Amino acid sequence: DAGVIQSPRHEVTEMGQEVTLRCKPISGHNSLFWYRQTMMRGLELLIYFNNNVPIDDSGMPEDRFSAKMPNASFSTLKIQPSEPRDSAVYFCASSQNREKAFFGQGTRLTVV
Amino acid sequence: QKEVEQNSGPLSVPEGAIASLNCTYSDRGSQSFFWYRQYSGKSPELIMFIYSNGDKEDGRFTAQLNKASQYVSLLIRDSQPSDSATYLCAVFKAAGNKLTFGGGTRVLVKP
Repeated sequence: DAGVIQSPRHEVTEMGQEVTLRCKPISGHNSLFWYRQTMMRGLELLIYFNNNVPIDDSGMPEDRFSAKMPNASFSTLKIQPSEPRDSAVYFCASSQNREKAFFGQGTRLTVV
Repeated sequence: QKEVEQNSGPLSVPEGAIASLNCTYSDRGSQSFFWYRQYSGKSPELIMFIYSNGDKEDGRFTAQLNKASQYVSLLIRDSQPSDSATYLCAVFKAAGNKLTFGGGTRVLVKP
């Protein structure tokens, strides 16, 4: 299995631009998590899905952030418009029924 | 109170010694418990999981769970410089499938 796949690995964008991060979970996993990691705040849960349905998006910082999971093998996290304070590493993780969760390699986002 | 709490460290241990890391959680109904290791610039890597009270050993790692006291710990025996990393405690809450992380403990193993 290829594991959780995220793209792009690095993204540099200008303030105000739209950013879309992508994630392909491990096949057969029914839960998908989006996290953001910064030095100041550590690993924060933004949103998670069970069986493609968003369950808890209370961690999404603002309306500028949105996430979708149109099918079991793909999810996106979109930031529109992006701001410098959104600069962070964004991780996607997946698991099966509260068992072991595995992370993708992350997307390092820099908003200038 | 944070949902999952860890001492941020750094925890400095000499090579060959035992590193002991602790984690407490607030939701008494929490179920699965995990320890992840994260090297600088890398993604978290799962190293241990435990579901029942007691100890679970895997190589040089031992996870300990005490649900009554709401804590989970990780012991690293015969610590090596390659164990220098940040160790993250994670908990699946009882409600839903929310996986919450502590802030991590930075471990430094000195030769």
